[in-house]
Amino acid sequence: LAKTTQPPSMEAYEGQEVNVSCSHTNIATSEYIYWYRQVPHQGPQFIIQGYKDYVVNEVASLFISADRKLSTLSLPWVSLRDAAVYYCIVTSNMGYKLTFGTGTSLLVDP
Amino acid sequence: EAAVTQSPRSKVAVTGGKVTLSCHQTNNHDYMYWYRQDTGHGLRLIHYSYVADSTEKGDIPDGYKASRPSQENFSLILELASLSQTAVYFCASTTGTGGAEQYFGPGTRLTVL
Repeated sequence: LAKTTQPPSMEAYEGQEVNVSCSHTNIATSEYIYWYRQVPHQGPQFIIQGYKDYVVNEVASLFISADRKLSTLSLPWVSLRDAAVYYCIVTSNMGYKLTFGTGTSLLVDP
Repeated sequence: EAAVTQSPRSKVAVTGGKVTLSCHQTNNHDYMYWYRQDTGHGLRLIHYSYVADSTEKGDIPDGYKASRPSQENFSLILELASLSQTAVYFCASTTGTGGAEQYFGPGTRLTVL
């Protein structure tokens, strides 16, 4: 049973705000939510993490529903450089291991 | 900024041959990881280590061995390379405190013929 469910792909224009959703209906109380992105021919890059409520950093913001079963990564003002695969990962901090799904492929049009 | 380097960046190996992929990090991180990525798929964890001279099996360890001779270095060894091990291999590290923010290397593209 997959731990997370994301839309396989999204498309946006430069300058738009993009919201990528992630469902994690079986998230455990010990688990946190992480978002990574991977551009072609590079390793994944950490974007943001959260446990509950709302988290924001210089790159993105993360909203987590009150029951923690849904999270949304928000990317303001996307550019062509934001075209990547975005992975939502839930994990406890035991071994800090990450389990990647197939992610959401974001296409950005000029 | 955490720095994780991998060598070689690409390699062509023959079936049945031995392959060693190397990873080096310069940020004093305790945890190191090896993942493989097949085209169009997410990363899968092969082996990881949280201290020198000790390694742990990940989700897909069969056909791979790992070695952590020092805190900075972590190797992935394919004793008998097979066609099915053609993939891109990523190394990563993390401090082991503050969460699972991992820093990834640039990857090694391995082709087994």
